[in-house]
Amino acid sequence: DAKTTQPPSMDCAEGRAANLPCNHSTISGNEYVYWYRQIHSQGPQYIIHGLKNNETNEMASLIITEDRKSSTLILPHATLRDTAVYYCIVRVAKNYGQNFVFGPGTRLSVLP
Amino acid sequence: NAGVTQTPKFQVLKTGQSMTLQCAQDMNHEYMSWYRQDPGMGLRLIHYSVGAGITDQGEVPNGYNVSRSTTEDFPLRLLSAAPSQTSVYFCASSYFRTSHPLQKTQYFGPGTRLLVL
Repeated sequence: DAKTTQPPSMDCAEGRAANLPCNHSTISGNEYVYWYRQIHSQGPQYIIHGLKNNETNEMASLIITEDRKSSTLILPHATLRDTAVYYCIVRVAKNYGQNFVFGPGTRLSVLP
Repeated sequence: NAGVTQTPKFQVLKTGQSMTLQCAQDMNHEYMSWYRQDPGMGLRLIHYSVGAGITDQGEVPNGYNVSRSTTEDFPLRLLSAAPSQTSVYFCASSYFRTSHPLQKTQYFGPGTRLLVL
């Protein structure tokens, strides 16, 4: 699985969009980008995933660059409850092994 | 569905004691795994299983044993606890025999906080 690089921390004002970047310059063609978050030492929670097209769900949007070497998770209207550590993970969705590698992630602080 | 459940929530052990952390899921997931998370760090994979009777080591398996006798349960055993095993332990599960990337997303339990003195 390709390695990812994320900033260690970010701040965002409540009600504004939070844009969390992730670099994955060694990503291969069949690797997906997954985003999880962990709120205050709870178990990580799935947010969204994508391959090459931009994706949106009820929680967030995922923008993947055309060369797929980086992506951005967008929380359109951040709330205080979005304060968490956000993990960007790149892996192949193949039919064995689920060994997600969680790096240190980005600690997002949503400020009132 | 209860999802992924873990017991106990908290545990204090003395060095050398043994214990078993319990994990259960009711989603009929084939894949189950154990992670540990140390303060300020990401999660590290300890052991995983792709089905009953099948287990394998992850990144940090030393000092831990696992077994998978049923689809639902995946206990983690500490044979002789050491202070270095003080951590928060998370169990996770997902479907396995599928190529659909969404079905491979993992569901995590609430965690067990372990302190070894």
